[in-house]
Amino acid sequence: DAKTTQPTSMDCAEGRAANLPCNHSTISGNEYVYWYRQIHSQGPQYIIHGLKNNETNEMASLIITEDRKSSTLILPHATLRDTAVYYCILPPSNTGKLIFGQGTTLQVKP
Amino acid sequence: GAGVSQSPSNKVTEKGKDVELRCDPISGHTALYWYRQSLGQGLEFLIYFQGNSAPDKSGLPSDRFSAERTGGSVSTLTIQRTQQEDSAVYLCASSLKLVRNTEAFFGQGTRLTVV
Repeated sequence: DAKTTQPTSMDCAEGRAANLPCNHSTISGNEYVYWYRQIHSQGPQYIIHGLKNNETNEMASLIITEDRKSSTLILPHATLRDTAVYYCILPPSNTGKLIFGQGTTLQVKP
Repeated sequence: GAGVSQSPSNKVTEKGKDVELRCDPISGHTALYWYRQSLGQGLEFLIYFQGNSAPDKSGLPSDRFSAERTGGSVSTLTIQRTQQEDSAVYLCASSLKLVRNTEAFFGQGTRLTVV
């Protein structure tokens, strides 16, 4: 299974864009890139996913490099409620295992 | 219901007792997942179901742990002879199909405390 590498922690000022990077240099051609987050004391929450093209929804944007070896999750206007652990995940194509690594702890500061 | 429902939300049990944790997935979701999260730790994958079948049970920590799913809906995670190290939040998730191109929805978890 392809692995992901994320920074352990990041800070972001409230109202600014939060850009969370993820490296997945061993990604295979049919593996999707998923992002989830976990706010303290809650279950994980799906944010967005993509295969090749950039994606945008009401929560965030996902930018995937052309070679697919890295991606960036963008929260365009971070709020204090976006403080959470953010996980970049590559689910294997033939099983249901959604494996969470250590993620990036994003602290949004006033 | 609108989301994944887990019960009980909190459970305190004595060491050595058996416990059953229940998960009601979103209606129509064929895939169901169990995770646990110990205090201050990451999410540990336990088991997943595709329909009523669990193709991979290797994530279960020991033979004291078992899970079943009936009717392609409700799932129960059973822990026999609980130990203090079993104390954790047990999270359930469901998705329309296996997660390759669909999102998983998580419940709020069952906080298990073994005393």
